[in-house]
Amino acid sequence: QVQLVQSGGGVVQPGRSLRLSCAASGFAFRHYIMHWVRQAPGKGLEWVAHVWNDGHNKFYADSVKGRFTIFRDNSGDTLYLQMDNLRVEDTAVYYCAKWGSIWAYDIWGQGSLVTVSS
Amino acid sequence: QSALTQPPSASGSPGQSVTISCTGTSGDVGAFNYVSWYQQHPGKAPKLVIYEVNKRPSGVPDRFSGSKSGNTASLTVSGLQAEDEADYFCCSYANSNNLFGGGTKLTVL
Repeated sequence: QVQLVQSGGGVVQPGRSLRLSCAASGFAFRHYIMHWVRQAPGKGLEWVAHVWNDGHNKFYADSVKGRFTIFRDNSGDTLYLQMDNLRVEDTAVYYCAKWGSIWAYDIWGQGSLVTVSS
Repeated sequence: QSALTQPPSASGSPGQSVTISCTGTSGDVGAFNYVSWYQQHPGKAPKLVIYEVNKRPSGVPDRFSGSKSGNTASLTVSGLQAEDEADYFCCSYANSNNLFGGGTKLTVL
């Protein structure tokens, strides 16, 4: 079964860190670009970061650059998002998503809620 | 780069057709035929319904169609059904990043 299963998330104080994980199954994970997309409560979708299939090229939204790190373990078919120096405005549901060969997000994780609050 | 522009709401009665627009710029929607649309029901992850402007993934009803003219892409839902009530987001490839629209809440009256 083709799927992405997320773990991590929770409530954290401003300035602290959190790591999200996204385990892939049912497809050749190492062949695909992977993204993180977030959605603040009641808001639209926002691209956060993506990493090429080899793990070497990474791109970030300006809002998270320098604070978030995307990386992947192709031997373990898992994508990660390390979030440091979290801010209240980072509060959102975070989705991992597979960028398919059809130039679209064809598979999404179930989402992980991150709440940044003192 | 700014988000793509979508109307916040749209509505139609069962059986009718509704079109949702998504306006970008010559650097994103106008530059690439890589516009996709996603349906999102409350509390659920988004689901792909249109890719590459006008193509439907397997399993998506042919009531869903897409088009593009200049810097504006459109999603049309024909023969509206109750289960089509959801939020719809457009997305455009834009070189090193992707841009999303703010979302349109589709209400089936």
